[in-house]
Amino acid sequence: KAGVTQTPRYLIKTRGQQVTLSCSPISGHRSVSWYQQTPGQGLQFLFEYFSETQRNKGNFPGRFSGRQFSNSRSEMNVSTLELGDSALYLCASSPPGAQETEAFFGQGTRLTVV
Amino acid sequence: AQSVAQPEDQVNVAEGNPLTVKCTYSVSGNPYLFWYVQYPNRGLQFLLKYITGDNLVKGSYGFEAEFNKSQTSFHLKKPSALVSDSALYFCAVRDMGGGFKTIFGAGTRLFVKA
Repeated sequence: KAGVTQTPRYLIKTRGQQVTLSCSPISGHRSVSWYQQTPGQGLQFLFEYFSETQRNKGNFPGRFSGRQFSNSRSEMNVSTLELGDSALYLCASSPPGAQETEAFFGQGTRLTVV
Repeated sequence: AQSVAQPEDQVNVAEGNPLTVKCTYSVSGNPYLFWYVQYPNRGLQFLLKYITGDNLVKGSYGFEAEFNKSQTSFHLKKPSALVSDSALYFCAVRDMGGGFKTIFGAGTRLFVKA
C-alpha cells in the first residue's frame, strides 16, 4: 500500500510569488491535514479537509489556503510568499474511523523563500 | 484548549542505557495521546498511542509510554537505547473539537552516543 505522497519534495520561490503544494493520501483515507514545521515554532496545524470540506483551521493568515478533491487528494496554496514562510510543509492522512486513529505523514515539501 | 509541553529540547543518553523523553499535556476530558518520531529530512512516523486502558502502552521499535493521569504526563521510554534511536521525538494530543486536528509539542531531540 503506497504511503502519503507529497510533491514536490523541494521548492525554491521568490518573495511575493505564490506556490501550490500537493498531497496524495493513502488509498481509502478521506481526511487530509496540513502542518508547517519550522525550527523555532515546531509543528503548527494549518488545516484539515474531509470529503472536500475544510473541517478544521489553524491560526494562519488568509494567504494560506487549501482544497481537497473528490479523490481525496489535497493541495495547499500560499500566496504572496514571505521569507518567514520558509518551512517544511507536512501532509498527513487518516483512515475512516474515530478520533483515536493515528495520522500517517508524508515526507514533506521543503519550501525555501528567497 | 488542548496543549502539549515537552520540557526538554534535547536528551543525551549512552547506548545501552534507558531513555526517557518527557511530555505533559493539558486537555479537557479524556485525552488521546500520541508519540511520533522524525528522522532527518523525513516525515513523522507513528510510534504509539494512548486511548484508554492500561497506563503502560507498548509501541514500535521497543518504545513504550506511561500515561499518568494525576500528573498529566505521557513520558516515552525505552529500556536500552540504540544509536539508531537518535532522532526528533514529538508528543501530541488529539484536539477533541472534532476531526483529526492534532496538537504537537515542540519536539525533543534525542542523541544516543555509542
